[in-house]
Amino acid sequence: GAVVSQHPSWVICKSGTSVKIECRSLDFQATTMFWYRQFPKQSLMLMATSNEGSKATYEQGVEKDKFLINHASLTLSTLTVTSAHPEDSSFYICSARGDTTLNEQFFGPGTRLTVL
Amino acid sequence: QKEVEQDPGPLSVPEGAIVSLNCTYSNSAFQYFMWYRQYSRKGPELLMYTYSSGNKEDGRFTAQVDKSSKYISLFIRDSQPSDSATYLCAMKGRGAQKLVFGQGTRLTINP
Repeated sequence: GAVVSQHPSWVICKSGTSVKIECRSLDFQATTMFWYRQFPKQSLMLMATSNEGSKATYEQGVEKDKFLINHASLTLSTLTVTSAHPEDSSFYICSARGDTTLNEQFFGPGTRLTVL
Repeated sequence: QKEVEQDPGPLSVPEGAIVSLNCTYSNSAFQYFMWYRQYSRKGPELLMYTYSSGNKEDGRFTAQVDKSSKYISLFIRDSQPSDSATYLCAMKGRGAQKLVFGQGTRLTINP
């Protein structure tokens, strides 16, 4: 299957700082990328969908000014958590889909964010 | 009612047993069905992908889709302790961007 990487795998930051998470598709061109958030023992919660070169579409209840998403190329999307607070601590996972992967969606390994 | 229902478990079976995991759904427009395996603190890994109704087999894994009953299954034969994980079903309609996920079933295979 197609490979998606995420960096960093974990990050600890102080309250009020901003954190950037990168998501890369390594062996295919990702026309669409998705960002999810997952709380312990719960399923995935979609935060936003981004198509390359377009603004992200955010799910209801997700603050677009707090969670900035950029999908500037066919292999890279970034999620920036601005002015992070302890309640933003979570597991963030990206996934990607490309023209060659049709309807299959491949996930990155996730990034664990802890805000102190 | 959720669009996709999946028993969260936990499900615990002895090594070597056949495991059956299931999801039901309400949206008849769903055409693409996936099963993901997620280990603790890792991202989901795509296990099986099926289009429309029918069966698909890959090694010890078999995915079944019954669109008339709006019911999908994943069977694991000769289960191993390494199969212990959370299994998520996911599905979407033709032309849709977003996947709709089940809650996930926590599975433990006991040696």
